[in-house]
Formats: sequence, structure tokens, C-alpha cells
Amino acid sequence: QKEVEQNSGPLSVPEGAIASLNCTYSDRGSQSFFWYRQYSGKSPELIMFIYSNGDKEDGRFTAQLNKASQYVSLLIRDSQPSDSATYLCAVNTGNYQLIWGAGTKLIIKP
Amino acid sequence: GAVVSQHPSRVICKSGTSVKIECRSLDFQATTMFWYRQFPKQSLMLMATSNEGSKATYEQGVEKDKFLINHASLTLSTLTVTSAHPEDSSFYICSARYGGGAGDTQYFGPGTRLTVL
Repeated sequence: QKEVEQNSGPLSVPEGAIASLNCTYSDRGSQSFFWYRQYSGKSPELIMFIYSNGDKEDGRFTAQLNKASQYVSLLIRDSQPSDSATYLCAVNTGNYQLIWGAGTKLIIKP
Repeated sequence: GAVVSQHPSRVICKSGTSVKIECRSLDFQATTMFWYRQFPKQSLMLMATSNEGSKATYEQGVEKDKFLINHASLTLSTLTVTSAHPEDSSFYICSARYGGGAGDTQYFGPGTRLTVL
């Protein structure tokens, strides 16, 4: 069974620090990887996706992919209280459906 | 781009009634849309995959006769909760498939909060 795993948290990070969120996946054939952010009571919103090994940067966010070790991470630099949310990792294993992690709750403390 | 709308945002109904939720892709065509349900403090749960012009594919444990899905056009999918009961109260979220290849992803609507009295 294809699985995506995340630490549920909560992960508490002081304001201005780097928040590091991790995700592992079981299917070696997975092709692309997505990070979504979900605020309490709201629907998920796409932050970024990555499909090549290495780093991909978008503003304060950096996604990192290591296919050999089957993990993907999201770094948030200069964390702000508004970054407090649940972060969902999703994996496309080759068909159009995404396999979802359960999410990591991130709390940024002022 | 890639905007998905959902209507209504909130609905309260009496037990036994049916509720229809609409999901629209506003600036792109979506041959595939997805319906999720999320209970408080729980993960997203995929209910069904909706393909334009064909029958929806339901996940195990989801009653297809209770949750009717219609995807009549490339921009609209509807979910009808028939004979709703209090246990159906939840946050229903749709998403639309966007892009292709490695960038194939889903954009979400804002969700519909259903309360059944």
C-alpha cells in the first residue's frame, strides 16, 4: 500500500527561525511531490511542488527532494505567526490521484 | 489562474433532506475533480473521483447512493448528499485536477461546511 508519512506535531518554532517539515513516502515510483498549507477551518492551498532531486526555492519556502532516501521536506525561512497552519505533503505516484500525508501542525511563536 | 469555487460555503439542513454542493473550475477546464470530506481535527478523506462525462469512482466505504456525484461539464461537478443525517455533518471540499505530467496537481475549492440538525 502506498503511504505518505508526516510527523503530526505540533512543531513549535520561534518567530524568525527556520521551520523544517519532513515527509517520507513508500512508493519509489513516485513522480512529483506537493506541499499544501491548510489553516484551521479552511481548505488546503498549494504552496509548491517539486519533481527533481535537489532544492527548489520560492520566496521564503524551499522544497527539498531526495528520491534515493524517499523523503521530501519543506523549509520556511524567517517564520511568521501567519505561517502557523497544518502542512500537508502529497505525492503523485504516476496516476492523477494524490496520496496524502496526515499533515504536520506548525506553530510559530512570537 | 487555477481558481476553484464551491457553493454554498455553509449549509444547515434538517435530517432527511438532500443537499447539493457545486464545484466549479473558473479559469481552466477540469476533466477530473475530487470530493473530500474532513471531520474536525482529522485528515482529508477522499470520497470519490469525478470524471467528466462518466460515472464517478467511489472510495471504499463511501455509499454511492447516498453521495451522488455528477460531472456534466468540464467546469462543474456536483455532490448531492441524499437523506442527510447528523453524522453527515462535516467539511466537504472539492478539488480540480490541473496541469499534466510532473506538474499534475489539484487546486481546492474553499469548502462547504454542512450541518445536519
